[in-house]
Amino acid sequence: QSILTQPPSVSGAPRQRVTISCSGSSSNIGKNAVNWYQQLPGKPPKVLIYYDDVLPSGVSGRFSGSKSGTSASLAISGLQSEDEADYYCAAWDDGLNGFVFGTGTKVTVL
Amino acid sequence: QVQLQESGPGLVKPSETLSLTCGVSGYSLSSGYYWAWIRQTPGKGLEWIGSIYPDGTTYYSESLKSRVTISVDRSKIQFSLNLTSVTAADTAVYFCARHGSLAADGTNYFDPWGQGTQVTVSS
Repeated sequence: QSILTQPPSVSGAPRQRVTISCSGSSSNIGKNAVNWYQQLPGKPPKVLIYYDDVLPSGVSGRFSGSKSGTSASLAISGLQSEDEADYYCAAWDDGLNGFVFGTGTKVTVL
Repeated sequence: QVQLQESGPGLVKPSETLSLTCGVSGYSLSSGYYWAWIRQTPGKGLEWIGSIYPDGTTYYSESLKSRVTISVDRSKIQFSLNLTSVTAADTAVYFCARHGSLAADGTNYFDPWGQGTQVTVSS
């Protein structure tokens, strides 16, 4: 069902930087804001980045978002064990007239 | 602080109607914002089901719109989801959430979310 494509998993050593890509189309990422969510095990998702690159109050500055054309990226710098979670991108799709989510990426800290 | 809590049966029989309620505390449903239902399955990930605005305007997923109804109750302290003719494919964790807009103005993110409720479709 997801039409935003993410890598299934990424991993990195503590203190490293990892990036997660989110590939969409002109009807979603290419036209509308991208939001990123972090989901810790057994918890609901939590907004991590909104409006492509804005951090909500209380979110660590180690997280950053960017967008170019029909793709977006989430970067985590200074990777920590507490960052082990699933990450999802999301956007409004003008063609479907609804929200679409990414396929999700599991981040593992080695 | 706004808090959302889903409630409803954890087990629904095939072909019957799934009905869930999202209780809202710390904020009036009449004061703006959109209120949404989202579900999560291991196989399909997160899926937006639909949203409602306090004036009753609804927006539904194209793939589910023939079976979905979202409503706000008169007391404006909860909103509900009805999904008809369920099958095993509707087995999921169902979340409710709030969002500020639909498209591009920087407020269309889901926050906060309820804790989620597991619904299993089985006879």
